[in-house]
Amino acid sequence: EAEVAQSPRYKITEKSQAVAFWCDPISGHATLYWYRQILGQGPELLVQFQDESVVDDSQLPKDRFSAERLKGVDSTLKIQPAELGDSAMYLCASSLGLAGTDTQYFGPGTRLTVL
Amino acid sequence: QKEVEQDPGPLSVPEGAIVSLNCTYSNSAFQYFMWYRQYSRKGPELLMYTYSSGNKEDGRFTAQVDKSSKYISLFIRDSQPSDSATYLCAMKGLTGANNLFFGTGTRLTVIP
Repeated sequence: EAEVAQSPRYKITEKSQAVAFWCDPISGHATLYWYRQILGQGPELLVQFQDESVVDDSQLPKDRFSAERLKGVDSTLKIQPAELGDSAMYLCASSLGLAGTDTQYFGPGTRLTVL
Repeated sequence: QKEVEQDPGPLSVPEGAIVSLNCTYSNSAFQYFMWYRQYSRKGPELLMYTYSSGNKEDGRFTAQVDKSSKYISLFIRDSQPSDSATYLCAMKGLTGANNLFFGTGTRLTVIP
C-alpha cells in the first residue's frame, strides 16, 4: 500500500538553529500539504501545494518558515531560526487533487523538539 | 471561537462498550466530514468519510452528520483495546483549496 514518507522521524535542535523536514507524497498525488500539530491539539495547515505551485500559505510564518516543492513531487519544509514555540509534530499529507472528494493521506510525521 | 470544537476527553471505557465521540462546528460551508484515528507518535489515518448529512456504517464504526445542528458523531460498537487512540474530527467545504479543519482530538482508552 502506498504511503506518504517523511524524514527524519525525530529532530532535536537548539533554538536559533536551522531545521529541515522532507516529505515524499504518494505517487501520482498532485496536492501536498504541510500541517503542524501541537501536543493536545488538532493539525493546522501551514502550506499547500498543487504540483509545484503554492495554493495556500496564509498560515505559514514566513519570517522563519519556508517550503518548496521544486519538481512537483517531494517537498522540504525549513525553519530558520527555530524557536522554542516551534516544538510540535510536523505532518505531511497528500491527495490526488483539490476536489472535495479527494482524501488526504498523512505521513508518520516529524516530531521536533527545540531546546 | 474555533471553527471546530471537540471534547478532548480523555475518555476511558471497558472493552465491549459503545463509544460516542462528537464534534460541533460553526461554518455552514462545511460539506465533507471525516474522522481520523491517530495512534501515539503516528500520523492520522482516515477512518470514516461522509458527505453532507446522514449516516455511514463501516463494520463497528458509524458516522453521523446533522448539518442542521452542525453536529457530527462517531460511534464505536464492541470497543476493543486496539481502538485506544486519539480520534480527530475534520471537515472541509465544497470549494476552495481543499483545506481540512480539525478538532482538537479525543483521547480514548479501552480497558481490557
